[in-house]
Amino acid sequence: QKEVEQNSGPLSVPEGAIASLNCTYSDRGSQSFFWYRQYSGKSPELIMFIYSNGDKEDGRFTAQLNKASQYVSLLIRDSQPSDSATYLCAVRGLSSASKIIFGSGTRLSIRP
Amino acid sequence: KAGVTQTPRYLIKTRGQQVTLSCSPISGHRSVSWYQQTPGQGLQFLFEYFSETQRNKGNFPGRFSGRQFSNSRSEMNVSTLELGDSALYLCASSLAWLAGVRNSGELFFGEGSRLTVL
Repeated sequence: QKEVEQNSGPLSVPEGAIASLNCTYSDRGSQSFFWYRQYSGKSPELIMFIYSNGDKEDGRFTAQLNKASQYVSLLIRDSQPSDSATYLCAVRGLSSASKIIFGSGTRLSIRP
Repeated sequence: KAGVTQTPRYLIKTRGQQVTLSCSPISGHRSVSWYQQTPGQGLQFLFEYFSETQRNKGNFPGRFSGRQFSNSRSEMNVSTLELGDSALYLCASSLAWLAGVRNSGELFFGEGSRLTVL
């Protein structure tokens, strides 16, 4: 079982719709959760982080965390073509807390 | 504020050679992490350094090594290169993960060093 799992996609969403990206993790004691966006040929850039159960909103982005289900998600409202990228879920565990583990990413495509 | 700087950006080596990659973190960041990114495996954690000490290590063979200097700059070295080492090597810096401090340790990535092994 991978430590951080994501559906590789591609996920195709029409412009203006809500894109929903999901991630599960195996370390129940994980502390911190991150979403990164990576455009083709570029390095990952941080979109959001979340530490507590519930929702965290930042502009068009909402991160949701459910520690009981070991599940974290990212919602993108009013999707734009510029949101087309690979989205990486990352988790800081408890046992090796100085290490951040990444999922393999979900490729998102916003169609005009 | 300057970002994370990695050099060289591109390099081509042959099997059996060795390579050294360099990373200069954001000013004030004391933690440097290294990742290998390949299409098949995604982002794989190599190691993390803090105050010149390796705090964590991923599941890579001993051919992969690193170090950090007193100015927080870091290098990683891969010896006896294999074809499978071809990848994008990403360095990321952070202020530091501190035990008990939840809002710490977000990673900021450099543009990467793309290594091709022939």
